[in-house]
Amino acid sequence: GIQVEQSPPDLILQEGANSTLRCNFSDSVNNLQWFHQNPWGQLINLFYIPSGTKQNGRLSATTVATERYSLLYISSSQTTDSGVYFCAVGGRGSTLGRLYFGRGTQLTVWP
Amino acid sequence: DVKVTQSSRYLVKRTGEKVFLECVQDMDHENMFWYRQDPGLGLRLIYFSYDVKMKEKGDIPEGYSVSREKKERFSLILESASTNQTSMYLCASPSPGSGELFFGEGSRLTVL
Repeated sequence: GIQVEQSPPDLILQEGANSTLRCNFSDSVNNLQWFHQNPWGQLINLFYIPSGTKQNGRLSATTVATERYSLLYISSSQTTDSGVYFCAVGGRGSTLGRLYFGRGTQLTVWP
Repeated sequence: DVKVTQSSRYLVKRTGEKVFLECVQDMDHENMFWYRQDPGLGLRLIYFSYDVKMKEKGDIPEGYSVSREKKERFSLILESASTNQTSMYLCASPSPGSGELFFGEGSRLTVL
């Protein structure tokens, strides 16, 4: 399967700070998603971004597929941004929706 | 968006019990997935199904089986629960076309 590495594993921020989360993957992909897991365990879709750049409010993401990495930017962080952020990728030719997950970045935002 | 519903948010079972986890999706999609999440390990694929009565093993199928009798419903079965199956179980189904994956709320299972 495809190896997915996320960094950093843990991140502690003060409210208002900016941060960048990174996702490296080992093979060509046709699916890349960023998720946020809330305190109740629900995985919330943030971005579907196999290539290019997208923005949604204070969050944005960039995937450079040719170099096999993706970045998630969080600006002006809030305490509600706390949780685990997962990057997941799907390989070319894989079953639709079959994703390989990284181990996540645990983000803690203090007031 | 695809809506995925899992029947039980929290379960507590005893070692050796048979456990059923149910999942329903509303998009009439062929593919459905069961993942397991453990701290520090991310999500790992247990089984998936690409049509009624069709299934394939994922990365960690040992100790589990699945059932897909109707297109909208995908069940995960622990024939004889063990303490090392204490975990969060997540069901998912993709949006047709893009493959963007949507998850249910998760089922947190504790085996005593």
